[in-house]
Amino acid sequence: AQSVAQPEDQVNVAEGNPLTVKCTYSVSGNPYLFWYVQYPNRGLQFLLKYITGDNLVKGSYGFEAEFNKSQTSFHLKKPSALVSDSALYFCAVRGPSGGSYIPTFGRGTSLIVHP
Amino acid sequence: NAGVTQTPKFQVLKTGQSMTLQCAQDMNHEYMSWYRQDPGMGLRLIHYSVGAGITDQGEVPNGYNVSRSTTEDFPLRLLSAAPSQTSVYFCASRHRFTGELFFGEGSRLTVL
Repeated sequence: AQSVAQPEDQVNVAEGNPLTVKCTYSVSGNPYLFWYVQYPNRGLQFLLKYITGDNLVKGSYGFEAEFNKSQTSFHLKKPSALVSDSALYFCAVRGPSGGSYIPTFGRGTSLIVHP
Repeated sequence: NAGVTQTPKFQVLKTGQSMTLQCAQDMNHEYMSWYRQDPGMGLRLIHYSVGAGITDQGEVPNGYNVSRSTTEDFPLRLLSAAPSQTSVYFCASRHRFTGELFFGEGSRLTVL
């Protein structure tokens, strides 16, 4: 079975500081990894994904994520946080084939960026 | 390009009533799915479909019914609403073999 853990319910960071939102996963085979963002009263929006290739993936709004196979992690990062980055962030994983086409989501991490 | 459209955005039901949440996508996506989002629980998969005429259960299917008669539409039916079904419901779709999901804006359901 595949699973995702987002160990922090909430992350607080000051505007201008770097931010990290943590994600670890478990899946059979090579993982497909995703980050989504949800702003208040909105649906989830895709940020970035890792399927293969460079371990550092760049996405929307200046976000990036680093795939670490040995640590089974896919942490979301941004060099300089903005107040407008405050939102709920979800990590998701799925396996490479078959029934595992269905992604599993983490419980979400609330990012709060303070002015 | 509308993407994924959900209706209604808000609904209040009484216990025992039935209703249908509508979901339509205009991207010709084969895969469609319904999630519910509850505080502290993340997203939980209710039902999904890999194409017209094919549906399957997700993690929390009880009390819900789906059908997929066309590629575009994937309605979610609540057969007899219960207070435990108070939640925000999201429909999502994707092309079968590519990665990311496209989500609707959500339907907030309250069951009294």
